[in-house]
Amino acid sequence: KNQVEQSPQSLIILEGKNCTLQCNYTVSPFSNLRWYKQDTGRGPVSLTIMTFSENTKSNGRYTATLDADTKQSSLHITASQLSDSASYICVVSARGNKLVFGAGTILRVKS
Amino acid sequence: GAGVSQSPSNKVTEKGKDVELRCDPISGHTALYWYRQSLGQGLEFLIYFQGNSAPDKSGLPSDRFSAERTGGSVSTLTIQRTQQEDSAVYLCASSPGTNPFGDNEQFFGPGTRLTVL
Repeated sequence: KNQVEQSPQSLIILEGKNCTLQCNYTVSPFSNLRWYKQDTGRGPVSLTIMTFSENTKSNGRYTATLDADTKQSSLHITASQLSDSASYICVVSARGNKLVFGAGTILRVKS
Repeated sequence: GAGVSQSPSNKVTEKGKDVELRCDPISGHTALYWYRQSLGQGLEFLIYFQGNSAPDKSGLPSDRFSAERTGGSVSTLTIQRTQQEDSAVYLCASSPGTNPFGDNEQFFGPGTRLTVL
């Protein structure tokens, strides 16, 4: 069964600290993996996309990693800001199939 | 505005009533998707439109749910005889490409929060 599991469910960190969010998937055959950021009351916005051959991709203070062998991805946020408070969703696409969404990690950055 | 828009932003209805949710995709995007997001759950795929092709309705949870896309642009999701378990945020997304679930990024609207009393 195609599944995407994210951890932790929620996380609270102090402004300026780093954090790492995890995504494990069982989607096959794998096409690509995206991390989305969803602010409260808004739709998700894509942060990064990674294909099978890529193992690291950065977008500003966001760095995503992918290990296609272990089927794990992480999203690292450096020097967190209050505006990073949001839900972060891992989405995996299987070739010829539908997107599989994780339940998301709710991040709260406190001052 | 160049983004995906949805209306209404919030809808409160009584059990048994019908509701219509509207989505205006980004101009020129050929693909349009509807998702449902329940509290603490991942997005659940409902239906997908691509150009003039027959829509992929495989995600619709029951025959009370239906959707139309007129003129390849605006889409309406209709829920008949609403139930309390229909309460959720309904998200619409559009995409420029013809590969429905491949590398084409989906651009999401802000969603409609539906509450069924």
